[in-house]
Amino acid sequence: DTAVSQTPKYLVTQMGNDKSIKCEQNLGHDTMYWYKQDSKKFLKIMFSYNNKELIINETVPNRFSPKSPDKAHLNLHINSLELGDSAVYFCASSQGAGLAKNIQYFGAGTRLSVL
Amino acid sequence: KQEVTQIPAALSVPEGENLVLNCSFTDSAIYNLQWFRQDPGKGLTSLLLIQSSQREQTSGRLNASLDKSSGRSTLYIAASQPGDSATYLCAVNGYGQNFVFGPGTRLSVLP
Repeated sequence: DTAVSQTPKYLVTQMGNDKSIKCEQNLGHDTMYWYKQDSKKFLKIMFSYNNKELIINETVPNRFSPKSPDKAHLNLHINSLELGDSAVYFCASSQGAGLAKNIQYFGAGTRLSVL
Repeated sequence: KQEVTQIPAALSVPEGENLVLNCSFTDSAIYNLQWFRQDPGKGLTSLLLIQSSQREQTSGRLNASLDKSSGRSTLYIAASQPGDSATYLCAVNGYGQNFVFGPGTRLSVLP
């Protein structure tokens, strides 16, 4: 019944590894997002996809690569993990992009710890 | 570049009090503004969405106002309850689908 679900909830890994975080939404939304919450609790958008197409790509290292196999999924793959990648990553979805009524629904977050 | 600030950073009130949380943003060219609550270890829950053409929105004990020209929004919580304890975030949605969040206000409602 969860609207936006992320897996895993916790991820602990070594520096240099490659890892993926999965996100799925069952709301029938067209737009999905990835956010990073830093140690100061600021949430910053990383990527946004609308109908499987990239529409926002903020200044994010190219080690981060989003993949959208279909409208309901937006996975985040991270190569060569670094200590500074440790954060909580949130996935979200909304009915449309650039629309006034785009209430976002968020997943529970994935806490990534890079050792 | 849009910047969002929230005051106060933390607030502790006794149960039953009415309270106001403040949000300020530097660029008034926004589509909408959303208020969220974040509970420890959980995701964000959208509380209210105010479109740029609106001045306020109400949901139950919550009322959010928006003054776009002055770059301010307030979230009013009436008759606070211990269950309202959480971090409250405001986020502005600017043109180009750029969502910027404030740092949040951590609210504690004491029984």
